[in-house]
Amino acid sequence: GENVEQHPSTLSVQEGDSAVIKCTYSDSASNYFPWYKQELGKGPQLIIDIRSNVGEKKDQRIAVTLNKTAKHFSLHITETQPEDSAVYFCAASWGLSFGAGTTVTVRA
Amino acid sequence: EAGVTQSPTHLIKTRGQQATLRCSPISGHTSVYWYQQALGLGLQFLLWYDEGEERNRGNFPPRFSGRQFPNYSSELNVNALELEDSALYLCASSLGRLSGNTIYFGEGSWLTVV
Repeated sequence: GENVEQHPSTLSVQEGDSAVIKCTYSDSASNYFPWYKQELGKGPQLIIDIRSNVGEKKDQRIAVTLNKTAKHFSLHITETQPEDSAVYFCAASWGLSFGAGTTVTVRA
Repeated sequence: EAGVTQSPTHLIKTRGQQATLRCSPISGHTSVYWYQQALGLGLQFLLWYDEGEERNRGNFPPRFSGRQFPNYSSELNVNALELEDSALYLCASSLGRLSGNTIYFGEGSWLTVV
């Protein structure tokens, strides 16, 4: 089955700085890579996704890049704000395999 | 449009008892997924149902079971509860079992086993 590794497990950034989270996957057949944000006490919310025929996708302050050759993809958050503080999960193969999560803390 | 809804929000059970959690998917979605999230841990895949059939199962013992009804709603049953079953149980739904269909999560059901 698919194995997804996510790094780092925790990330602390100063407000206004950028945050980058990286994931690697094992199954070269995977073709869909969503990212979810989970706030305390809530269910995960989809924030952005990318498919294998695209190398990069942006949505305002959030971007995702995909390198199929190296089998890794990354989430980039620019101009971080306190409300970006949450746990972020990556997934491969439409979500049966999730990364372990990254706790992002934005310091004011 | 209503999202994925789960009930109950919180449930407290005694070790050895059975727990039943319920999920209603987004209208039009035929696939339902169940995940377990222990406190501070990641999302562990439990079960996937589509069109009433179990399509995939995670690495959990048989006392974790479920079903999907004709209206695509689903329930998760956990028998012979153990203390380590205490967790947030998340249900999610998607349009179907084609790879690449986005999964949408509910807010979860907190199960506490005492």
